[in-house]
Amino acid sequence: KAGVTQTPRYLIKTRGQQVTLSCSPISGHRSVSWYQQTPGQGLQFLFEYFSETQRNKGNFPGRFSGRQFSNSRSEMNVSTLELGDSALYLCASSLSITSGTQYFGPGTRLTVL
Amino acid sequence: LAKTTQPISMDSYEGQEVNITCSHNNIATNDYITWYQQFPSQGPRFIIQGYKTKVTNEVASLFIPADRKSSTLSLPRVSLSDTAVYYCLVGEESGGGADGLTFGKGTHLIIQP
Repeated sequence: KAGVTQTPRYLIKTRGQQVTLSCSPISGHRSVSWYQQTPGQGLQFLFEYFSETQRNKGNFPGRFSGRQFSNSRSEMNVSTLELGDSALYLCASSLSITSGTQYFGPGTRLTVL
Repeated sequence: LAKTTQPISMDSYEGQEVNITCSHNNIATNDYITWYQQFPSQGPRFIIQGYKTKVTNEVASLFIPADRKSSTLSLPRVSLSDTAVYYCLVGEESGGGADGLTFGKGTHLIIQP
């Protein structure tokens, strides 16, 4: 079974731009969560989607948004990029919102210049 | 979610058994203990999960004493490729919920030849 895939793997943007990251969960998994990882703050939860609905949200500004499609694929968007948004963005999938281990993708490395 | 405390770093040598202990004094009755492994620029990978006593899989063992206020991840006969950051998480079985998975700083395990 294929694992979680994320595209693109690397991205370079400039301040003020916006970016969209994509995540394809493991087949059959319906929950997708997004995390931001930086050297200073570590791994931080952004939000979780299940059945196309955002179920939970971490403590991030409204510039960070996401959505989930009917096939469980998910995208996250960051608008008006800031230097501090440079990070590894990780997507994780699980069977459902209340069960199972979360399986992480390889991440998208975003650099904001 | 219960707070966890684990050593910032550990060193060992190839072929040795490595034990990483995690403290979680305020673990709740419904909480499970889960360990993840993360290599640089990759997403965390689930290693093992347990509730009490001992759990063993093909990768590691997890020892949980009766009071469940701590747990020990045991890696038998480590190799250089076990050099990674190991995270101990405590929460409901999915480890998710309103705050997603809450990762601490983790333990940076360095294996030397």
